[in-house]
Amino acid sequence: DAKTTQPPSMDCAEGRAANLPCNHSTISGNEYVYWYRQIHSQGPQYIIHGLKNNETNEMASLIITEDRKSSTLILPHATLRDTAVYYCIVRVVTDSWGKLQFGAGTQVVVTP
Amino acid sequence: KAGVTQTPRYLIKTRGQQVTLSCSPISGHRSVSWYQQTPGQGLQFLFEYFSETQRNKGNFPGRFSGRQFSNSRSEMNVSTLELGDSALYLCASSPLGLADTSGFFGPGTRLTVL
Repeated sequence: DAKTTQPPSMDCAEGRAANLPCNHSTISGNEYVYWYRQIHSQGPQYIIHGLKNNETNEMASLIITEDRKSSTLILPHATLRDTAVYYCIVRVVTDSWGKLQFGAGTQVVVTP
Repeated sequence: KAGVTQTPRYLIKTRGQQVTLSCSPISGHRSVSWYQQTPGQGLQFLFEYFSETQRNKGNFPGRFSGRQFSNSRSEMNVSTLELGDSALYLCASSPLGLADTSGFFGPGTRLTVL
C-alpha cells in the first residue's frame, strides 16, 4: 500500500471549514483513499473514502487531485466535537478492507 | 442497527497470564479485524477474519491468536502476557471485507498488564 504523509497537527476555529491535507504521491491507480478519525481513546470512526472522483457525505467532502497524488478532507463547519486525530489511508481496490495501515495522522484541535 | 461491541471494556491482568477478548460485529458483517493501539506504536493491524478463516495477519508474535465463529463473532487471545501488551485492542467489522467498503470500529478493550 502507498505511504501517506500528513501534517502532525492543525488548529481550526469553530464554525470555520477545516481542510486536512494528505500526500500520497506513490499511490497506484487501483488504490482507494480512506479517511478515519479517532476521538481520544475511542475506536476510529469512518469518515469517507474515494478512488478518483470527489466524494461528499453528511460528514465531510473528499477532494482528490487529478493526478491522485494528494487529497484534502474538508469538514465544512468544524465543531468542538470534531477535535480528533484524523488518519488518511490508502488501500488497494482488490485487497480486503480489514488490513488498514494507519500512520501517525493529524491531530486537529477545534477552538471556540 | 447496533454497532460493533467489544467485551470486556477494561481488563487488568498480570504478567504471564492469558486473556481472551471478544468482538461482536455489526449484524450481517462477515469480516472482522483486530488492531492494537499503543502510544509508542500507534494503531497496528493484528489479523483479519472472514467467514471463519484468517485472511490476513500482521507482524505479531504467535502469542497473539484469534478465531471467528460461524455467527461472525470473533475472539482474540493473548497468552503469556507481557508488560508491553498493555494497549487498547480494537475490533472492526465490514460487510464483505472488500476494499471498496467502509468499516466500523468498536470502542475497544483497554488491557493493562501489571
